[in-house]
Amino acid sequence: QKEVEQDPGPLSVPEGAIVSLNCTYSNSAFQYFMWYRQYSRKGPELLMYTYSSGNKEDGRFTAQVDKSSKYISLFIRDSQPSDSATYLCAMSEEDSGSRLTFGEGTQLTVNP
Amino acid sequence: GAGVSQSPSNKVTEKGKDVELRCDPISGHTALYWYRQSLGQGLEFLIYFQGNSAPDKSGLPSDRFSAERTGGSVSTLTIQRTQQEDSAVYLCASSLARTAWGGYTFGSGTRLTVV
Repeated sequence: QKEVEQDPGPLSVPEGAIVSLNCTYSNSAFQYFMWYRQYSRKGPELLMYTYSSGNKEDGRFTAQVDKSSKYISLFIRDSQPSDSATYLCAMSEEDSGSRLTFGEGTQLTVNP
Repeated sequence: GAGVSQSPSNKVTEKGKDVELRCDPISGHTALYWYRQSLGQGLEFLIYFQGNSAPDKSGLPSDRFSAERTGGSVSTLTIQRTQQEDSAVYLCASSLARTAWGGYTFGSGTRLTVV
């Protein structure tokens, strides 16, 4: 079983929809939780990161972490066609030396 | 440069040949990472360099894989006697310092196809 599980999709939504992306994990030592966005044939770029449990908002994006359920989410409000990409969750332990464990990624398409 | 540069962007090689993949990190970034991205597998950690410290090689899948970083800057990932299962996108990332939350800047990757 993978340490981080993420539904690969694909997920297709109309423009303006609220998108919910999720990951579950099994390693209770994970303390840092990140979301990366990857456009086709490009490297992933960091969207947001959170430490331990809680919510973090940045513009149209909200990241939530529920450590008790080992479940993290990324919400995208008022989704735009430019949000079409693959979204990867990533996690690390406190003393990981920056080694990240990634989910498989969810492919999102926002249709105009 | 402005970003992490990887070369070549695409590489097709015959099974059994050796390949070298190059990564030029952002100037001043002391930490450098290699990951592999395969279809259906997500990103898999390979190796991590931090300054002059011994690299963390714990993610290298076999002794056919090796990497070096010269002068604390450019890194080369070498795969010897390539196999078809080595086909993947090899991503390099760099960061200013070692941080648990990553803070990486990724390059666009080298797409390796072993035929």
